[in-house]
Amino acid sequence: QSALTQPASVSGSPGQSITISCTGVSGAVGTYGYVSWYQQHPGKAPKLMIYDVTYRPSGVSDRFSGSKSGNTASLTISRLQAEDEADYYCSSYTGDSTVLFGGGTKLTVL
Amino acid sequence: VHLEQSGAEVKKPGASVKVSCKASGYMFRNYGLSWVRQAPGQGLEWMGWISTQNDKTNYAQKLQGRVTMTTETSTTTAYMELRSLGSDDTAVYYCARGGYGDPLDHWGQGTLITVSS
Repeated sequence: QSALTQPASVSGSPGQSITISCTGVSGAVGTYGYVSWYQQHPGKAPKLMIYDVTYRPSGVSDRFSGSKSGNTASLTISRLQAEDEADYYCSSYTGDSTVLFGGGTKLTVL
Repeated sequence: VHLEQSGAEVKKPGASVKVSCKASGYMFRNYGLSWVRQAPGQGLEWMGWISTQNDKTNYAQKLQGRVTMTTETSTTTAYMELRSLGSDDTAVYYCARGGYGDPLDHWGQGTLITVSS
């Protein structure tokens, strides 16, 4: 069982916005600013989409944004596109030099 | 930046496996390397991290005693060895640049390790 809780699935129609939450059981998400989000298409390696809660790596669309409130981090995808359909994982540095991943959220674009 | 991993392997229960990760396109010693695995149909599991500057390591508690991560600076290659393999070690193993507070910003293509008698 993962210590970072994500919804198993979310869905949205093209053009809409969706938000995926990531809640930390032990306070890891709330304490540290090292929250990342990864996108994974079937059969592919994960891709970094958001790091340090709100920052986007070069080349990642500005339709992806991150935020945090208390012990919950969120990934928002605006203007949803078919290519956004994938699995999304949050990740948090725990401070005892380990990393936690959320259980993953399957995004379906209707 | 490119991380090239070794090929798929099939191992018997109780055996060991060593996966390599050849880094190129950046200063190898400027970034740590992490290992992450993914069992079939499952989520991502962090295995550990190694510093490329001093070989300091941090391993996931559940793998302590069975996993060893090393680096070879001369060839800019990282290695992950997992011993006493069981069926639940069947997974795709990824190396990724970063860790220890840094995001995993580049990933290898993954190496499928199948444990089967």
